[in-house]
Amino acid sequence: GENVEQHPSTLSVQEGDSAVIKCTYSDSASNYFPWYKQELGKRPQLIIDIRSNVGEKKDQRIAVTLNKTAKHFSLHITETQPEDSAVYFCAASKGDTGFQKLVFGTGTRLLVSP
Amino acid sequence: DAGITQSPRHKVTETGTPVTLRCHQTENHRYMYWYRQDPGHGLRLIHYSYGVKDTDKGEVSDGYSVSRSKTEDFLLTLESATSSQTSVYFCAISELGTGFNQPQHFGDGTRLSIL
Repeated sequence: GENVEQHPSTLSVQEGDSAVIKCTYSDSASNYFPWYKQELGKRPQLIIDIRSNVGEKKDQRIAVTLNKTAKHFSLHITETQPEDSAVYFCAASKGDTGFQKLVFGTGTRLLVSP
Repeated sequence: DAGITQSPRHKVTETGTPVTLRCHQTENHRYMYWYRQDPGHGLRLIHYSYGVKDTDKGEVSDGYSVSRSKTEDFLLTLESATSSQTSVYFCAISELGTGFNQPQHFGDGTRLSIL
């Protein structure tokens, strides 16, 4: 089955710096890669996702890149702010009907210091 | 925010007792999922449903059962709770799509402690 590895487990940056979180997946048939942000005691919230037919997607300060050949994808946050501090999870799945069995990485705790 | 309500939000119970967690959605989405979240493991899929009375096992289904008698409700039952089932449980939903994946949206979670 699919296996998703996520690095680093913790990441500390200064406000205004960029942050990069990387994930690798094992199943070459995976075609959907969402990223979730989870603040302490809250639910995971989808922040961005990418499908295998594109290599990059941006939404304001957040971007995700996908390298299908190498089977890895990354989350890029620019101009970090203290409110970006949270745990970020990557995930992977395959399918095309809306149903997907997401396999999650183990999370990255991002701390943005003022 | 997606219309997902989980109940109860917190529960403390004893080993060996049955426990049922409820997930209620107002979005009329076809697919529903139950995950557990533990430190160092991220989120792991317990069971999922692809329609009324249609359910299947996820990667960590041992000790859990589910039922879906209505589109809006998905129940997770621990028949005889064990301390290893102490966790935070999240329900998620996603919509039927054609030709591409639909994102999953999560409820607020249930913190379950088994003593």
